[in-house]
Amino acid sequence: DSGVTQTPKHLITATGQRVTLRCSPRSGDLSVYWYQQSLDQGLQFLIQYYNGEERAKGNILERFSAQQFPDLHSELNLSSLELGDSALYFCASSPRTSGSLVFGPGTRLTVL
Amino acid sequence: GESVGLHLPTLSVQEGDNSIINCAYSNSASDYFIWYKQESGKGPQFIIDIRSNMDKRQGQRVTVLLNKTVKHLSLQIAATQPGDSAVYFCAELRLPYNDMRFGAGTRLTVKP
Repeated sequence: DSGVTQTPKHLITATGQRVTLRCSPRSGDLSVYWYQQSLDQGLQFLIQYYNGEERAKGNILERFSAQQFPDLHSELNLSSLELGDSALYFCASSPRTSGSLVFGPGTRLTVL
Repeated sequence: GESVGLHLPTLSVQEGDNSIINCAYSNSASDYFIWYKQESGKGPQFIIDIRSNMDKRQGQRVTVLLNKTVKHLSLQIAATQPGDSAVYFCAELRLPYNDMRFGAGTRLTVKP
């Protein structure tokens, strides 16, 4: 158990729908990151939050949005879902000072 | 943008042999280089990191080498075991906000 929690573990939905993925960072970590991993692919950086503020943005589609709340948990919202959005979505957190990321177990999204 | 990439997508070794996984990077401004291991269906796990001002760092059965002249990073695994079978990602980390980007990954298969 890494200390980073993600819910739900699995999500099956239809094209055109909207879903919300949730992440709670490790206790004390201020940064939250979201990554997308398609089948047998690398980890594509989506977005990073630091203490509630957006810090960096990667290849995140306009249909996707995220936020980090005052209690530091984060939500990733995916709307107008397409078949190609099917993937593993990982959340990671890191401490305020330098340190590598610690990943959660991921949410597997299947769009039918 | 700049990225971290890998030389080989797959690597197959015999149990007990040493493994070497390579990675090329293009951004000299990174502060740390990190290796992650990802087993099937799980989130990436931290293996070892190396600060950009170092050439070598050793852990338990693993060694990371950094050659800044040719922008090359490698992970050496001694006495490879079946449990080492996984996908290995290199990543670069930039301070102060722990901006991390991943390479494509190498799948290591250990044959008994």
